[in-house]
Amino acid sequence: GQQLNQSPQSMFIQEGEDVSMNCTSSSIFNTWLWYKQDPGEGPVLLIALYKAGELTSNGRLTAQFGITRKDSFLNISASIPSDVGIYFCAGRFSGGSQGNLIFGKGTKLSVKP
Amino acid sequence: GAVVSQHPSWVICKSGTSVKIECRSLDFQATTMFWYRQFPKQSLMLMATSNEGSKATYEQGVEKDKFLINHASLTLSTLTVTSAHPEDSSFYICSAAKGGLVTEAFFGQGTRLTVV
Repeated sequence: GQQLNQSPQSMFIQEGEDVSMNCTSSSIFNTWLWYKQDPGEGPVLLIALYKAGELTSNGRLTAQFGITRKDSFLNISASIPSDVGIYFCAGRFSGGSQGNLIFGKGTKLSVKP
Repeated sequence: GAVVSQHPSWVICKSGTSVKIECRSLDFQATTMFWYRQFPKQSLMLMATSNEGSKATYEQGVEKDKFLINHASLTLSTLTVTSAHPEDSSFYICSAAKGGLVTEAFFGQGTRLTVV
């Protein structure tokens, strides 16, 4: 079946530092999404990517859809304490049904003030 | 973004009883809604796709008789966990799609179900 590998699993950083996380898939994806989930809450969409090579920013967040269509990364610049949470990549692979959104296992981000 | 409201936020029920969880799209019509299950410190697993006016499509391994899904209107889908057991305890999250494409889906805040 389809798999998404997300890394790192967790990060402990100092406030102000930049963060980078990525996801790779075993198949070609036609959509990559990045979500943030706070404890006890549903995921909130941060950035959506639809084309290979696409680079999209949302404030201090930047994400790119890899050229090979099998990977994506998310960067957070100048991290602040409220960036704490779990970040999930998700995607829909080519040929997948509309509802078949596959999620990575998440990157838990901790920010030390 | 669009607003998706899930109710209740948490529920505790006794084994053998049934629990209904509601998912509402507040400011848009959702022809498609999705139900996910999330275990502690794990990722989201799609359980089923709910289409307004038709039967839900369940993922492999999900018991359709145990997890009843009804999508009676363009703004409401319900998930009923029937004859709940402790192993059904989990975090259930719905998402609603604006245009039927998952890429435009927005998540509810989730429901923490505890079966005792």
